[in-house]
Amino acid sequence: EDKVVQSPLSLVVHEGDTVTLNCSYEVTNFRSLLWYKQEKKAPTFLFMLTSSGIEKKSGRLSSILDKKELFSILNITATQTGDSAVYLCAVERGGGSEKLVFGKGTKLTVNP
Amino acid sequence: NAGVTQTPKFQVLKTGQSMTLQCAQDMNHNSMYWYRQDPGMGLRLIYYSASEGTTDKGEVPNGYNVSRLNKREFSLRLESAAPSQTSVYFCASRELSSYNEQFFGPGTRLTVL
Repeated sequence: EDKVVQSPLSLVVHEGDTVTLNCSYEVTNFRSLLWYKQEKKAPTFLFMLTSSGIEKKSGRLSSILDKKELFSILNITATQTGDSAVYLCAVERGGGSEKLVFGKGTKLTVNP
Repeated sequence: NAGVTQTPKFQVLKTGQSMTLQCAQDMNHNSMYWYRQDPGMGLRLIYYSASEGTTDKGEVPNGYNVSRLNKREFSLRLESAAPSQTSVYFCASRELSSYNEQFFGPGTRLTVL
């Protein structure tokens, strides 16, 4: 059965801290891994990763994939209160299946 | 360009009532999806439609039916609502011709009493 596990489930930090969110997976016929940010509304897309070892970067956020060890990390440097959200990891299977399998998410709280 | 729209935003039903959640996208995407999100459970796929005229079950399809009315619209129907279906429902769409993300609608918060 396909599985996506995120850790930690919850994290509280102070502004300016650096955080690392983890996502491990067991999925048949891996195609891509996606990270989303969810505040009190719909998830918004952050990154899509398909190849090992290539870092994707957007401002203070970055992510990397390890297809050998079956995990990805999402780093946020110099955190701000606006980074407070639930971060969702999802993995897509290839081979004609259109489905994403989501983890349960990491709830990040950034305190001033 | 509205992206993915959903109606209604909120709904309260009594056990046994039926209702249809509507979803439409204006991005000309082939694939559309319905998810439910419960506290601590992430997003779970209910049904999806890879293209107009096709639908397929996801992880938690029991108690739901779907209709892919045309390329733009994908509706989710609860025939006889149960309290276990209290949840937030998200519709999403995606173009699968290359590596693209799913775009999500704003969600429908459904409470079944």
